[in-house]
Amino acid sequence: NAGVTQTPKFQVLKTGQSMTLQCAQDMNHNSMYWYRQDPGMGLRLIYYSASEGTTDKGEVPNGYNVSRLNKREFSLRLESAAPSQTSVYFCASSPRGEWVGTDTQYFGPGTRLTVL
Amino acid sequence: AQKITQTQPGMFVQEKEAVTLDCTYDTSDQSYGLFWYKQPSSGEMIFLIYQGSYDEQNATEGRYSLNFQKARKSANLVISASQLGDSAMYFCAMREGFTTSYGKLTFGQGTILTVHP
Repeated sequence: NAGVTQTPKFQVLKTGQSMTLQCAQDMNHNSMYWYRQDPGMGLRLIYYSASEGTTDKGEVPNGYNVSRLNKREFSLRLESAAPSQTSVYFCASSPRGEWVGTDTQYFGPGTRLTVL
Repeated sequence: AQKITQTQPGMFVQEKEAVTLDCTYDTSDQSYGLFWYKQPSSGEMIFLIYQGSYDEQNATEGRYSLNFQKARKSANLVISASQLGDSAMYFCAMREGFTTSYGKLTFGQGTILTVHP
């Protein structure tokens, strides 16, 4: 099992460019999440998908869109990148999503994005 | 208001000693879960331990234990017999109950732990 995989690992964009961050999990999890990590801020939820076919906004959704392509894949798109989107992006998945006991989230290795 | 507060930006400990990393939380939900994650310098987020709000006993996982004091809203992580490989950033996180979005974790700002030989 690879767990949660993310591509690319590193990316440099110019302001205004677009790109898609890819995430896939092979654990048959229902729920998937995108977080960003900024220095001194901890992780903040951008979007999540409680189950295949549904997506919802998290704490900081502005400037992003997501697609839950199938149960395995959840992509994050930056339509017009801004320097404020320079961050480390983490994808995570959890088995069930709804509040059931210890529904632990498992994280991918992260994508380090720099917007110039 | 901060939902998760980690007041120790950095902590130092000698190898083989125990260390406590502090975490306080704020929620009005009765049902919630508390998590600790480790982030080594390589960047990945590693799940360590979980405590549910209705769990009567403190959670333990190997060398990790969670000192859960519900009335004080604290969920401190205790690492026993520290090892050099424990040097990392540690995050406390909370998932609140039915009133908030499914599965959403709220993270603290983290504590950097350095283990000295």
